[in-house]
Order: sequence, then structure tokens, then C-alpha cells
Amino acid sequence: GAGVSQSPRYKVAKRGQDVALRCDPISGHVSLFWYQQALGQGPEFLTYFQNEAQLDKSGLPSDRFFAERPEGSVSTLKIQRTQQEDSAVYLCASGTAFNQPQHFGDGTRLSIL
Amino acid sequence: AQTVTQSQPEMSVQEAETVTLSCTYDTSESDYYLFWYKQPPSRQMILVIRQEAYKQQNATENRFSVNFQKAAKSFSLKISDSQLGDAAMYFCAYRTNFGNEKLTFGTGTRLTIIP
Repeated sequence: GAGVSQSPRYKVAKRGQDVALRCDPISGHVSLFWYQQALGQGPEFLTYFQNEAQLDKSGLPSDRFFAERPEGSVSTLKIQRTQQEDSAVYLCASGTAFNQPQHFGDGTRLSIL
Repeated sequence: AQTVTQSQPEMSVQEAETVTLSCTYDTSESDYYLFWYKQPPSRQMILVIRQEAYKQQNATENRFSVNFQKAAKSFSLKISDSQLGDAAMYFCAYRTNFGNEKLTFGTGTRLTIIP
């Protein structure tokens, strides 16, 4: 496809379950970002990859959050032992090179019951 | 750390009229980028316009223009000839020009267009 693809679009999980969210960036995009957007708030940075290297994970809220991009394209954000405060929209964005704008996916809405 | 503030949670404008959305930011850097993103209910963030801090000329994209006041750290978005399709959440965002490309967003302004 032409844009950033995220799946699933909606995810409902019970507290304590593990979840995995997938991001397919635009083909050839080097940079990949994950953001967390709580209800009524702006997105907040979680982590950043350049190719397969995770250059910044300072925004990950706890060690329950883990992201990977093993082959420098598709990325997965994993949340272990989910808690209610993890409920949010998780946005993925990709970019071609520095100084180029990021392109966003439609996000995954995660609801923890 | 950089911060971005949007003091207008909600704004409304009559169709075909002009509206201005406000944004202020705080940074100690001199070289950076500022952005306005639009987020409709579909959730996808769509880039509206961007401004490079070292450029004095205000950016313009069709009906969208900015008023960039670097000394005042102000970056407002003007939408002219408002259309129903402009209804969305609008986010102001900051990005450094050094190293990490992460975006720092404000809390957003919900824009309603009145027919």
C-alpha cells in the first residue's frame, strides 16, 4: 500500500494479558516512530528506530513496553501484563530521511478491560 | 525539554470565514521545525503545514498559513475560507533539527465548522 499500515485497528484485552501491535511503514522509509495518544490528548513519543536500530526508547513508560524492528521494515510494539492506563491509541509514523515530514498510520485503539 | 502549548481546546467558525488557532512553545534551541497536523475522526495525522525556524518567511499552503513569531515563540495557524472538511482536531508540534526526529505535540484544538 501507499501509506503506513497498522494492525489491528482495534484491540480489546483483559488486564494482565499481553498484546502486540503491528506497524508496516511506507516501503523504503528509514525512520519509524511509535506514539501513544491518550483520550483527549496529543500524541506522546514512545520510541524511534532508524532501520533496525532502536535509537531512542526514552518515552516507553515502563519495562512492560517493548518495541522491535528486526529487519528494518515492519515494527511490533508489545505490551506485557497490560493495565488499564495502557488504554490509548497507538500511532506509528515513518519517514524517508532527516528533515522530511513523518507519515502517520491510522493507529490502533487499545482498550484494556 | 521542549514543550508545546495550545490554549484553545475548542474553536468554531462559520463556513467560508477565517479562523486562527494559537500555539506557543518553549525551547532553548535556535534551529528547529514547527508543524501543524490535522487529525480527523479516522485518527490519521495529516500534515497541514510546516515551518523551519531559520526561515523568516511564514509558510503558506493554499488556504492555510502560519504566523511564526520566533522571539515570542508563537506559531499560529490561519485557515481562510473555512470548509466543512476542515473540521478536525488540530495539533501543533515541535521537532529539533539536531539528532532525534521525534515530534513533541500540544494538546490539540478541536475545530468545528458551522454550515
